[in-house]
Amino acid sequence: NAGVMQNPRHLVRRRGQEARLRCSPMKGHSHVYWYRQLPEEGLKFMVYLQKENIIDESGMPKERFSAEFPKEGPSILRIQQVVRGDSAAYFCASSPLEGLSLKTQYFGPGTRLTVL
Amino acid sequence: SQQGEEDPQALSIQEGENATMNCSYKTSINNLQWYRQNSGRGLVHLILIRSNEREKHSGRLRVTLDTSKKSSSLLITASRAADTASYFCATDTNTGNQFYFGTGTSLTVIP
Repeated sequence: NAGVMQNPRHLVRRRGQEARLRCSPMKGHSHVYWYRQLPEEGLKFMVYLQKENIIDESGMPKERFSAEFPKEGPSILRIQQVVRGDSAAYFCASSPLEGLSLKTQYFGPGTRLTVL
Repeated sequence: SQQGEEDPQALSIQEGENATMNCSYKTSINNLQWYRQNSGRGLVHLILIRSNEREKHSGRLRVTLDTSKKSSSLLITASRAADTASYFCATDTNTGNQFYFGTGTSLTVIP
């Protein structure tokens, strides 16, 4: 059972370009979370998705950022017109459980975005 | 904000010594979890403690939770060089979907 997979592992973009980050959850997991980690900081929640639904996007910037988790295929975090401040590590986590019960999230290796 | 704080920010010890790091948070929680992150890598889940538990053990790890003080501690006994990593606490609540991560403790174990 493969773990959470993210690609690419490293992504370099110039200011103004678009960045697409992909996350394939663990087999059997239908809940995906995206986090951003700035250098020397902890992870900050961005968005929580289930298949075809955004459940909580309270941590995601209102502009330029979007996320989806289609019925088929990976979850995608999309950043339009990237700026230098978007440079960070973006982590995806998946979970098989929902709601308020015991929950452990399994993290992918992350995508390190560098904006030149 | 529920964002937690780990203390100390950085800790350097000799191999074989015990390492203790603390986490404080601000609001009532459902669970508290500890994660390890090796440099440039993703997070690895270490241990989860529920809000109605006070102590939990897993191998060389011991976690305590004091909900009255809104704090938790992670003790790593007989540390090894391979324990060198950043350690984060994460909390979740009954009313939200997200985990709130602390700022992390960077642990260096010197061989």
